[in-house]
Amino acid sequence: GNSVTQMEGPVTLSEEAFLTINCTYTATGYPSLFWYVQYPGEGLQLLLKATKADDKGSNKGFEATYRKETTSFHLEKGSVQVSDSAVYFCALTQVSGGYNKLIFGAGTRLAVHP
Amino acid sequence: KAGVTQTPRYLIKTRGQQVTLSCSPISGHRSVSWYQQTPGQGLQFLFEYFSETQRNKGNFPGRFSGRQFSNSRSEMNVSTLELGDSALYLCASSRTITGNTEAFFGQGTRLTVV
Repeated sequence: GNSVTQMEGPVTLSEEAFLTINCTYTATGYPSLFWYVQYPGEGLQLLLKATKADDKGSNKGFEATYRKETTSFHLEKGSVQVSDSAVYFCALTQVSGGYNKLIFGAGTRLAVHP
Repeated sequence: KAGVTQTPRYLIKTRGQQVTLSCSPISGHRSVSWYQQTPGQGLQFLFEYFSETQRNKGNFPGRFSGRQFSNSRSEMNVSTLELGDSALYLCASSRTITGNTEAFFGQGTRLTVV
């Protein structure tokens, strides 16, 4: 079945450091890929998405490229801030089937220190 | 534009009781999905409704049920509560049911079963 695997956290960085959170997926067909972020006590917010191979999603300095050949969608940011501290979830949906079921990775907690 | 509204935000129930959670989607959105988030199992899909019809269901026992009204508002019900049902329940709304449509999440209802 479809699944998403993320690197385990927590990831602890100093402010202005470079961030990479690895995400790989297993899916039939051509899924859409997403990164969601969850701040403490909040629901999920869409950070970025990519709907086909080689698409690059970007938002708020975060980027991720849909790599079909390596079935990956790694999240990167060049310079993190304390306000980026949150839990990040990689997710996919299937285009076929006509439904919006999201399959999430386990989440990666990021802690950024001043 | 108002976001996804979930009520109540917090609930404490006793084992064996039942509970109803409510979700009001973004205006114009016709798809509502529900997810359960626990530290052990992460984010798991419960079910999706579109135009008052359940389109997809996750792997949860029959104690978990839901419905959608003509105004797209949705409720989920859990009967005969168990301690393991303690979780954050998240509702997401989408404009359509295609797999690459962005899902907007509410802040969730935190259910504690004692």
